Amino acid sequence: GDSVTQMEGPVTLSEEAFLTINCTYTATGYPSLFWYVQYPGEGLQLLLKATKADDKGSNKGFEATYRKETTSFHLEKGSVQVSDSAVYFCALFYNQGGKLIFGQGTELSVKP
Amino acid sequence: GAVVSQHPSRVICKSGTSVKIECRSLDFQATTMFWYRQFPKKSLMLMATSNEGSKATYEQGVEKDKFLINHASLTLSTLTVTSAHPEDSSFYICSARVLAKVDTQYFGPGTRLTVL
Repeated sequence: GDSVTQMEGPVTLSEEAFLTINCTYTATGYPSLFWYVQYPGEGLQLLLKATKADDKGSNKGFEATYRKETTSFHLEKGSVQVSDSAVYFCALFYNQGGKLIFGQGTELSVKP
Repeated sequence: GAVVSQHPSRVICKSGTSVKIECRSLDFQATTMFWYRQFPKKSLMLMATSNEGSKATYEQGVEKDKFLINHASLTLSTLTVTSAHPEDSSFYICSARVLAKVDTQYFGPGTRLTVL
């Protein structure tokens, strides 16, 4: 079945460090891929998405490229801030069926 | 815009009692709402999908008689955990979407249920 696997957390970085959170997926079809972010005490928010292979999603300095050949959608940011501390979820989605399939989440902690 | 609220944010109950959790779309009409369960350091697990005015569709392994879902209006869905037991303790999250944007879900902040 379809699944999403993320790197284990927590990830602890110093402010202005480079961030990569790995995400790989297993899919029987051609899903869209998403990154959601969950700040403490808040609901999940869509961070970025890509709907087909080689698409790059970007938002708030974060980027991720849909790599079909490696079945990956790694999240990157060049310079993290303390305010980026949150839990990040990778997910896949099929228009047919309309269900999101989430990875297990990766907690990011950024220290000043 | 596109705010989803949940009430209560946390609840503690005794084993054997029932607990109702509300999910509301505050500024839009949600044709479909989803209920998830989140375990510590684990993914969100979809429990069920509910469309306004019809019966919820439950995921495999989710007991529909234990987790009663009602989606009576375009802005409100409720999840009732019946005869709760300590193993039902978890973080329950709802999301809502509109028909026109099938790939966009707006998430509530979640409800922490603790069953003693």
